[in-house]
Amino acid sequence: DAKTTQPPSMDCAEGRAANLPCNHSTISGNEYVYWYRQIHSQGPQYIIHGLKNNETNEMASLIITEDRKSSTLILPHATLRDTAVYYCIVRVGRNQGGKLIFGQGTELSVKP
Amino acid sequence: GAVVSQHPSWVICKSGTSVKIECRSLDFQATTMFWYRQFPKQSLMLMATSNEGSKATYEQGVEKDKFLINHASLTLSTLTVTSAHPEDSSFYICSARDSSGRGAYEQYFGPGTRLTVT
Repeated sequence: DAKTTQPPSMDCAEGRAANLPCNHSTISGNEYVYWYRQIHSQGPQYIIHGLKNNETNEMASLIITEDRKSSTLILPHATLRDTAVYYCIVRVGRNQGGKLIFGQGTELSVKP
Repeated sequence: GAVVSQHPSWVICKSGTSVKIECRSLDFQATTMFWYRQFPKQSLMLMATSNEGSKATYEQGVEKDKFLINHASLTLSTLTVTSAHPEDSSFYICSARDSSGRGAYEQYFGPGTRLTVT
């Protein structure tokens, strides 16, 4: 599975949009981009995933560049409860097996 | 949504004893489950992949005789830490893959088990 690069930490003001970048320049054509987050001392929580197109759900939006070498997770109105470590992971799709291998992630601090 | 539970949520044991951690998928069937461990201030590290009815596949560097995995049913996998030592103290997290193919995402995580070996 392709490796990802994320900034180690970011700050965001409460109520503002949080934009978390991820580089995955060696991504293969059959690999998806997944985002999970981990709030302190809890198990990871799924946020969103995508292959080529931009995706949006009730939690966040995922913007994937046309060449698929990078992506951005957007939390449109960050709250204090969004403070967590965010992991960007690339892996093959469900029907092709593939394991979720976690990198170091980005520690997002949402401040009042 | 799909729920994965772990039991116990925390455990303290003496050095040299064995500890069993259970992982259950509550409302879906999981032919594949995964076990991770996480040390303080570090990321999750995949230990092994557990397949129902067959032997687990361990990641490089993980001792299969120390970390025994049993996936006896489609909703239960267990991790037994044998002859535990203080360096085994960690946060153990399981994850289950939904076999049905339904849902937008197929891998769900449990809340984790905090193991402290004294």
